[in-house]
Amino acid sequence: SQKIEQNSEALNIQEGKTATLTCNYTNYSPAYLQWYRQDPGRGPVFLLLIRENEKEKRKERLKVTFDTTLKQSLFHITASQPADSATYLCALDSPGNTPLVFGKGTRLSVIA
Amino acid sequence: NAGVTQTPKFRILKIGQSMTLQCAQDMNHNYMYWYRQDPGMGLKLIYYSVGAGITDKGEVPNGYNVSRSTTEDFPLRLELAAPSQTSVYFCASSYSNRGDYNEQFFGPGTRLTVL
Repeated sequence: SQKIEQNSEALNIQEGKTATLTCNYTNYSPAYLQWYRQDPGRGPVFLLLIRENEKEKRKERLKVTFDTTLKQSLFHITASQPADSATYLCALDSPGNTPLVFGKGTRLSVIA
Repeated sequence: NAGVTQTPKFRILKIGQSMTLQCAQDMNHNYMYWYRQDPGMGLKLIYYSVGAGITDKGEVPNGYNVSRSTTEDFPLRLELAAPSQTSVYFCASSYSNRGDYNEQFFGPGTRLTVL
């Protein structure tokens, strides 16, 4: 069956370090992968989209990679700040016309 | 633009009661979605719509109904509330369901408790 896994439920990191979050998938061949940020009590907010033919995408301090051979996406936040503390969700296109499928998310805490 | 709006923000229901969760978007998006989010369980798709008059089931549709009479509105109906429906409900919309324009815009959520 199709499966999306995001590494550890929670990740703690020191301010100023690079946070790396992982999204692995099985039995999928997504054409696109997206990352969202969700703050407590709020709806997810779109951050980045990467296509299967793109190896890497950047936006300010964010970097996303997409390795279709490893079936994995990595989401990096460089020079992390306490304000980056949130839950980060990856989402994949499904086959056909079905909507995005979301991972369970990773809760990131950046400690000052 | 208000984006995606949801009402109510909070609601407590008794077992067996019914209610409708309202969702509206002002971005002229064809695609709209309803999710539920339980602690630690991620987003589960309940129903979605690809345009006015067209709806389809998601992963967890049992106990819910939807309708889409206009592009803007996508209400979710709970007919006989059960404790298992205690959750946070999010409505979302997107311009497309494929490719570069299928990023989803989420509403602020409705926190529902069934006692």
